[in-house]
Amino acid sequence: KAGVTQTPRYLIKTRGQQVTLSCSPISGHRSVSWYQQTPGQGLQFLFEYFSETQRNKGNFPGRFSGRQFSNSRSEMNVSTLELGDSALYLCASSVVGLASTYEQYFGPGTRLTVT
Amino acid sequence: ILNVEQSPQSLHVQEGDSTNFTCSFPSSNFYALHWYRWETAKSPEALFVMTLNGDEKKKGRISATLNTKEGYSYLYIKGSQPEDSATYLCASSNDYKLSFGAGTTVTVRA
Repeated sequence: KAGVTQTPRYLIKTRGQQVTLSCSPISGHRSVSWYQQTPGQGLQFLFEYFSETQRNKGNFPGRFSGRQFSNSRSEMNVSTLELGDSALYLCASSVVGLASTYEQYFGPGTRLTVT
Repeated sequence: ILNVEQSPQSLHVQEGDSTNFTCSFPSSNFYALHWYRWETAKSPEALFVMTLNGDEKKKGRISATLNTKEGYSYLYIKGSQPEDSATYLCASSNDYKLSFGAGTTVTVRA
């Protein structure tokens, strides 16, 4: 069974631009969660999508948004990029998500650098 | 922002020795406690998901316990091996959000 895939793996953007990251979950998984990892803040929850609906959201500004498609693939968008948005962005998929005891499976991440 | 704390931040273990470390988490609206192993240049790998007070799970030489009343979990590594070197993250699921601790980095010396 193929694992969680994320594209692109690396990205360099300029401050003020916007970026879209993609996550394809494991086949059969309906939940996709997104996380930001920075050296200073550790791993932080961005949001979770389940069956095309955002189920919950972490403490991030509105510049961070996402969506999920009918095939469970998810995209995350960051608008008006700031230097502090430089981070590793991880997505994770799960059968039914955080409201369960099912495990999450993480993708390899997208390393975003904002200059 | 929920406060999930892990201690110690790092530890060094001699090959063959056993070790354990702690994760403390808020008990309000608690749903589940997750443990992950994160090796350098790899993705976090799920180890355990526990939800019931007194839960104890085991995978090979690694095991974990959960105390939801006092809000802590222990992860144990028995007979540490070099391949156990990694950062171990715990995450608490409260109100359907996942809050991670900063991790305990384990280095196993041969």
